[in-house]
Amino acid sequence: DAGVTQSPTHLIKTRGQQVTLRCSPKSGHDTVSWYQQALGQGPQFIFQYYEEEERQRGNFPDRFSGHQFPNYSSELNVNALLLGDSALYLCASSLGQGHYNSPLHFGNGTRLTVT
Amino acid sequence: LAKTTQPISMDSYEGQEVNITCSHNNIATNDYITWYQQFPSQGPRFIIQGYKTKVTNEVASLFIPADRKSSTLSLPRVSLSDTAVYYCLVGDKDQAGTALIFGKGTTLSVSS
Repeated sequence: DAGVTQSPTHLIKTRGQQVTLRCSPKSGHDTVSWYQQALGQGPQFIFQYYEEEERQRGNFPDRFSGHQFPNYSSELNVNALLLGDSALYLCASSLGQGHYNSPLHFGNGTRLTVT
Repeated sequence: LAKTTQPISMDSYEGQEVNITCSHNNIATNDYITWYQQFPSQGPRFIIQGYKTKVTNEVASLFIPADRKSSTLSLPRVSLSDTAVYYCLVGDKDQAGTALIFGKGTTLSVSS
């Protein structure tokens, strides 16, 4: 049973560029959440997708956008990269809507470095 | 949105029992309490979840008093491999505006 997979594992980009990160949820899961984790900090919630719609959003600018596909996989897009966007980006999947006690299952993240 | 408070760090020795307490005074009726473990450069890993009283699984126990304003994660007989950051989360992830929010967690260091 495949867990949450994220790609790529590492990425180096230059300020001002755009990046797309990808996530495949755990088999059977229909909800995907994205988190940003800076070094030494806890994960910060970016947004959550369910039924191909953004359901919740954290305190992140519009430069951060996402998408969920019919197969439940998801993408995180970040435009106009800033040095401060350097972080570990984590994807978590779960069962949504009615499965309120379904815990999050995380991938191992994408390490993004902006130079 | 319930906020949690945990100790920043704890130290222990191999073979000891470790108890990490989390305070969540504003927990809502529908909120569950969930604990995660995270190793460096990895995603958090689910440990245990509960609503009230006591929950036990193969790796930990979770104690929740009747008022649910706090909870205690108990790790029996820790080993060096239990050195990690432990996060306590409170919330109902399906309720709009109550996405699960991580704090800074508790860094547990286990020594031999």
